Amino acid sequence: GNSVTQMEGPVTLSEEAFLTINCTYTATGYPSLFWYVQYPGEGLQLLLKATKADDKGSNKGFEATYRKETTSFHLEKGSVQVSDSAVYFCALSVGGTSYGKLTFGQGTILTVHP
Amino acid sequence: DADVTQTPRNRITKTGKRIMLECSQTKGHDRMYWYRQDPGLGLRLIYYSFDVKDINKGEISDGYSVSRQAQAKFSLSLESAIPNQTALYFCATSDLQGVDTQYFGPGTRLTVL
Repeated sequence: GNSVTQMEGPVTLSEEAFLTINCTYTATGYPSLFWYVQYPGEGLQLLLKATKADDKGSNKGFEATYRKETTSFHLEKGSVQVSDSAVYFCALSVGGTSYGKLTFGQGTILTVHP
Repeated sequence: DADVTQTPRNRITKTGKRIMLECSQTKGHDRMYWYRQDPGLGLRLIYYSFDVKDINKGEISDGYSVSRQAQAKFSLSLESAIPNQTALYFCATSDLQGVDTQYFGPGTRLTVL
């Protein structure tokens, strides 16, 4: 079946530090890959996505590259801010009978200190 | 106003009680989903509906039922609540064009005593 594995959290960083959150996946077919972010007390919102191998998704200074050879979609940001403190979810979607359904990783809590 | 709303936002109930969580959306999307979120487990799909007449079980549907009353409304019911259904529940929507991008409501925190 399909699955997503994220690095264990929580992750605690100082403002302006470099961020990497690892994400690897197992999927049948050719999935689309996503990062969703959940700010405190809110629902999830799409941060970025990539739909085919070697695509790079980017938004708000965050980037992730779809690596088919390593089945990975790691999230990076060069300089984090306190406002980036949130829970980050990696997710995938495949076609066929699963079309439109997302499979999520367990989430990684990020805390950024001033 | 929010595009996807959920009521109630918080609910405490007792074992054995029936409870309904409601979701409404103004995005005009055909597809709606119910997830539960548990610490360390991410989000897991309970039920999903691709249109008013199409309802499907997700990976953890046991103990839950749903009703799609209209394109804009999708309700989740716990017929006889049990403590391990204590969780954060999210409704989400998507449309046919951007089917992979889902829009989430703010969540309902349910506690079953």
